[in-house]
Amino acid sequence: NAGVMQNPRHLVRRRGQEARLRCSPMKGHSHVYWYRQLPEEGLKFMVYLQKENIIDESGMPKERFSAEFPKEGPSILRIQQVVRGDSAAYFCASSPRGAGGPLNEQFFGPGTRLTVL
Amino acid sequence: KNQVEQSPQSLIILEGKNCTLQCNYTVSPFSNLRWYKQDTGRGPVSLTIMTFSENTKSNGRYTATLDADTKQSSLHITASQLSDSASYICVVSARYGGSQGNLIFGKGTKLSVKP
Repeated sequence: NAGVMQNPRHLVRRRGQEARLRCSPMKGHSHVYWYRQLPEEGLKFMVYLQKENIIDESGMPKERFSAEFPKEGPSILRIQQVVRGDSAAYFCASSPRGAGGPLNEQFFGPGTRLTVL
Repeated sequence: KNQVEQSPQSLIILEGKNCTLQCNYTVSPFSNLRWYKQDTGRGPVSLTIMTFSENTKSNGRYTATLDADTKQSSLHITASQLSDSASYICVVSARYGGSQGNLIFGKGTKLSVKP
């Protein structure tokens, strides 16, 4: 089992460009979570998805950010018209069961470090 | 407001020594508490998960304690090794139905183990 995969590991964008971050969950996991980590800060929840459905997007900014988890392929976190404040590490996690379970174990990927120039 | 506070912010110890990291939380209603280890440039890796009824749980040289009454947890590392150098993150899960489980992350304690 290769674990949660994220790519690219590092992404540099200029202000106004689009950033696409990809996450392939662990084999057999159908639940994906995206988190953002600013320097010297804790991880902050952004969005929780199941295959083809957004379950909870309460932590995701309503503008410029979107996420999807299609039936086939990886989950994508898309940031349009990036600004310097979007510079952060973005982590994806996956779990085999839904988040409502009391011991829902989330396995994290290595993260994508986005730098906006 | 649900919060998780960790102390100290950073810690330097010599190889072979023990250390204890602290976590205080105000999350309610409480479901479970987790400790993660995050190496530099990597994603967090789970060390322990404890529910309300568990007071202590060990994973090798890592021992976590939980006092649900005082809403405090500690992570004790025994006989530290250079590879223990990492950030240790306390994460508390609020008990809500559905949704993302409402994991609230602390900012972490950055541990450096020196030879």
